[in-house]
Amino acid sequence: NAGVTQTPKFQVLKTGQSMTLQCAQDMNHNSMYWYRQDPGMGLRLIYYSASEGTTDKGEVPNGYNVSRLNKREFSLRLESAAPSQTSVYFCASSAGTSTEAFFGQGTRLTVV
Amino acid sequence: AQSVTQLDSQVPVFEEAPVELRCNYSSSVSVYLFWYVQYPNQGLQLLLKYLSGSTLVESINGFEAEFNKSQTSFHLRKPSVHISDTAEYFCAVSLNSGGYQKVTFGTGTKLQVIP
Repeated sequence: NAGVTQTPKFQVLKTGQSMTLQCAQDMNHNSMYWYRQDPGMGLRLIYYSASEGTTDKGEVPNGYNVSRLNKREFSLRLESAAPSQTSVYFCASSAGTSTEAFFGQGTRLTVV
Repeated sequence: AQSVTQLDSQVPVFEEAPVELRCNYSSSVSVYLFWYVQYPNQGLQLLLKYLSGSTLVESINGFEAEFNKSQTSFHLRKPSVHISDTAEYFCAVSLNSGGYQKVTFGTGTKLQVIP
């Protein structure tokens, strides 16, 4: 079982460049999430998608956009990368409100 | 609003010793409680969860956590740790917010097991 798959695993960007982080899940989950993880700050929600066709801002959405392409895929786009966006990004999915989230392996992004 | 506090950022403990990782939460409504574990360079994995019923929940690898409503705590314990338990542990609370699962994570506790 693949679970939640993120690509790429590592990326280095120059300030101002754009890129899209891809995420796909094969568990038929309705909800998908994008988090960033920074030392000492835990995981902070960037955007979420409660169901196919809907997306909403989380705690730290500035500088990001998302697309819920279909039920399986949820992408995160950085239009103009900044050094403050250097972080580890995790995609997650869940079936419902009382169930656990399943996480991808993460994308380590460095913006120089 | 809900929040999660993990007071200890790092906990060193000798192998085979007991450990407790503390988690306190605040919420004005009923929540679901989770502990996740993150091994180096990996994503988070569910360790255990409390949804309802018995306040003591156990994982398959010897961890347990007890939901204490009066103290709004969900501390994680293990009576005897192993080297392989070295990881970062995150407490999380979840509630139903407008049809989606709003999850708030603590800042994590790094458990370092010393041989």
